Amino acid sequence: KAGVTQTPRYLIKTRGQQVTLSCSPISGHRSVSWYQQTPGQGLQFLFEYFSETQRNKGNFPGRFSGRQFSNSRSEMNVSTLELGDSALYLCASSMGLTYNEQFFGPGTRLTVL
Amino acid sequence: KNEVEQSPQNLTAQEGEFITINCSYSVGISALHWLQQHPGGGIVSLFMLSSGKKKHGRLIATINIQEKHSSLHITASHPRDSAVYICAVRRVGETSGSRLTFGEGTQLTVNP
Repeated sequence: KAGVTQTPRYLIKTRGQQVTLSCSPISGHRSVSWYQQTPGQGLQFLFEYFSETQRNKGNFPGRFSGRQFSNSRSEMNVSTLELGDSALYLCASSMGLTYNEQFFGPGTRLTVL
Repeated sequence: KNEVEQSPQNLTAQEGEFITINCSYSVGISALHWLQQHPGGGIVSLFMLSSGKKKHGRLIATINIQEKHSSLHITASHPRDSAVYICAVRRVGETSGSRLTFGEGTQLTVNP
């Protein structure tokens, strides 16, 4: 069974631009969650999608958004990029919303210049 | 003060040594996770605990709900165990399995 895949793996953008990251979950998994990891703040929960609906959201500004498609693939978008958005963005999938083991993707490393 | 604190922050061991990483938390929780992150970023979920003890191969995780403390033990450590180990908790009442609060991680280096 293929694991969680994320594209692209690396990305360089400049301040003010926007970026879209993609996550394909394990086949059969319906829940996709996104996390941001920075040296200063560590790992933080961004949001969770299940059945094409955002079910939970972390404490991030509205510049961070996402969506999930009918095949469970998910995208997250960051608009008006700031230097502080430089981070490793991790996606994880699980079968359901609650109490299920999560499987993480390799991450997308975003650098904002 | 962080809600989830790990100690030590950095740990260097010789191959074969018994290793313990600690996690203390200050909130009520319904579950605690131990995660392993290798260089390059990939994360693997090692354990999810709500009580007692779990064992998988050379890894053992324990949790004491009353003391709000969990430990991850590695027996007969090996250089391939070198990674960052992260403790994460799900708060009581949280319905999402993925809305976790994370510790800062423990960097483990095992030398041959």
